[in-house]
Amino acid sequence: SQQGEEDPQALSIQEGENATMNCSYKTSINNLQWYRQNSGRGLVHLILIRSNEREKHSGRLRVTLDTSKKSSSLLITASRAADTASYFCATDLRDDKIIFGKGTRLHILP
Amino acid sequence: DVKVTQSSRYLVKRTGEKVFLECVQDMDHENMFWYRQDPGLGLRLIYFSYDVKMKEKGDIPEGYSVSREKKERFSLILESASTNQTSMYLCASSGDRGSTEAFFGQGTRLTVV
Repeated sequence: SQQGEEDPQALSIQEGENATMNCSYKTSINNLQWYRQNSGRGLVHLILIRSNEREKHSGRLRVTLDTSKKSSSLLITASRAADTASYFCATDLRDDKIIFGKGTRLHILP
Repeated sequence: DVKVTQSSRYLVKRTGEKVFLECVQDMDHENMFWYRQDPGLGLRLIYFSYDVKMKEKGDIPEGYSVSREKKERFSLILESASTNQTSMYLCASSGDRGSTEAFFGQGTRLTVV
């Protein structure tokens, strides 16, 4: 069964707005990661947050992690057309397996 | 530049054929993964290897096997291809325990007819 579940499944926002995606998971983790996938291509790693961290920033990306609630959120600020893609959270489990969720499809409207 | 290379970008095979999907990484990573991706289902883990000749089943191993004879190469084998194995197959590798991200290949779109 899949470990991570992203919410919402799809999101459309105007260019310049902020986009927030959430991820919930089930078991203990080493870290949680977010990836982006442009249509028909491989996945690209965006950011990794370790289980002992609560918040991390990278450029326009902000990730939070709440291990007590087993949840994470990805915030993309000042969205651009190039941010249109699918976003996946992935949990790195204690046995080194990396398990992905079903993803959020983000569409940035001009 | 780090690299994970999958042997084919597109592949068409007949039902019942034995199919080999090859993946090679040049980062000296211990861990390698095979996922399949289907619309609405995200990425599902088929098999995982944490060392040469070591493997573990993922969530959907039925109908698949794997081989890891060398550290850099991880092969996915469809013993007898079926139409429900038509999918995008993604290979990935990762390094040290608990501290690094996964690097992905470009994917192999397999169609079984």
